[in-house]
Amino acid sequence: EAGVTQSPTHLIKTRGQQATLRCSPISGHTSVYWYQQALGLGLQFLLWYDEGEERNRGNFPPRFSGRQFPNYSSELNVNALELEDSALYLCASLTTGVGNTIYFGEGSWLTVV
Amino acid sequence: GDSVTQMEGPVTLSEEAFLTINCTYTATGYPSLFWYVQYPGEGLQLLLKATKADDKGSNKGFEATYRKETTSFHLEKGSVQVSDSAVYFCALSESSSNTGKLIFGQGTTLQVKP
Repeated sequence: EAGVTQSPTHLIKTRGQQATLRCSPISGHTSVYWYQQALGLGLQFLLWYDEGEERNRGNFPPRFSGRQFPNYSSELNVNALELEDSALYLCASLTTGVGNTIYFGEGSWLTVV
Repeated sequence: GDSVTQMEGPVTLSEEAFLTINCTYTATGYPSLFWYVQYPGEGLQLLLKATKADDKGSNKGFEATYRKETTSFHLEKGSVQVSDSAVYFCALSESSSNTGKLIFGQGTTLQVKP
């Protein structure tokens, strides 16, 4: 069974540009989470999608947005990139229900120059 | 709100030494507890989990016991290897709602020397 897959693995963008990151959850998983792991800041919760709807978002500005498609894959968009957006972006998926486990993808490295 | 506190790193050990990484949590309900491991340049991998008090999670020689009385979930391994060098994250699932959202500790870097 395939795990959570993310693309691209690495992405280099210029300040002010937009970045789009993609994630495919484990088959049968309907919830997708995005986390940011920036140097020195640990893992910060970004967004949660379930059944195509945004259910919750972390303390990030509106230029961080995303969506979930009918096949439960997800996109994370970051507009007006800033240097401090450079980070590893991790996607994770989960089946709905109590006590289930979140599984992470390998992540997408975003570098803003 | 819920929170997780891990011991500060880095932790440096010789091969075959005993490992303990402390993790304590604050939660209003009954969260599930997890340890994730991140090898250099990679994403997070689930190492082990426990979903209720007194549960012991174990995997690859690592163990952790869910201690409700001390709100702790310390990670242990009897004999570490160089290949265990990584960053270890303790996490809990938010207990206030059934969202599955994880709250992470700050991570503890483990370096094992031959």
